[in-house]
Amino acid sequence: DAKTTQPPSMDCAEGRAANLPCNHSTISGNEYVYWYRQIHSQGPQYIIHGLKNNETNEMASLIITEDRKSSTLILPHATLRDTAVYYCIVRGMIKAAGNKLTFGGGTRVLVKP
Amino acid sequence: DAGVIQSPRHEVTEMGQEVTLRCKPISGHNSLFWYRQTMMRGLELLIYFNNNVPIDDSGMPEDRFSAKMPNASFSTLKIQPSEPRDSAVYFCASSWDPGNTIYFGEGSWLTVV
Repeated sequence: DAKTTQPPSMDCAEGRAANLPCNHSTISGNEYVYWYRQIHSQGPQYIIHGLKNNETNEMASLIITEDRKSSTLILPHATLRDTAVYYCIVRGMIKAAGNKLTFGGGTRVLVKP
Repeated sequence: DAGVIQSPRHEVTEMGQEVTLRCKPISGHNSLFWYRQTMMRGLELLIYFNNNVPIDDSGMPEDRFSAKMPNASFSTLKIQPSEPRDSAVYFCASSWDPGNTIYFGEGSWLTVV
C-alpha cells in the first residue's frame, strides 16, 4: 500500500473548519483514501473514504485532488470532542492482497475553545 | 447495533503468565483483524482472518503469540508466556468481506509486570 505523509500536529479553533492535509504521491489507481480518527483511550473510528471523487458524510468531507496525489479532510465545524489523532490511510482493494489498514503517525488535532 | 466487543478491557498480569484476549466481531462480518498499539510503534497489524482462516500473520511478533478464530463470531489472541514488552493496547476489528470498511473495538489494555 502507498505511504502517506501528514503533519504531526495542528490546532483548530472551536466552531471553525478544520482542514487536515495528506500527501499520498505514490497512490495507485486501485487504492482508496481512508480517514480514521482515534480519540484518547478509544479504538480507531472510521470517518470517510474515497477513490477519486469528493465525498461528504455526516462527519466530514473528503477532497481528493484530480491527480489523487493528495487529499484534505474537512471537519466543517470543529468541536472540542473532535480533538483526536487523525489517520490518513491508503488502502489497496485487491482481494488477494488482503484489505488491511496500515496506520502511520497521523495528525494530532487539538481543538481549542 | 453492537460493535466489535473485546474482553477483558483491562488486564494486569505477571511476567510468564498466559494472557488470552477475546473478540466478538460485528455480526455478519467475515474479516477479522488484530492490531497492537504502543507508544513506540503505533498501530500495527498482527494478524488478519477471512472466513475464519488466517490470511496474513506476518505481523505476529514471535511464537509466543497465537491467534485463533474457531467460528465466525469469536476470536482469541493468546500470549504465552507474557513479557513486560507485550504491554500495549490490543485492538480487534472486523469488516464485511474484504474491501469494506473496518470497524474497531475499544481495545484491551494489557500490562505485564
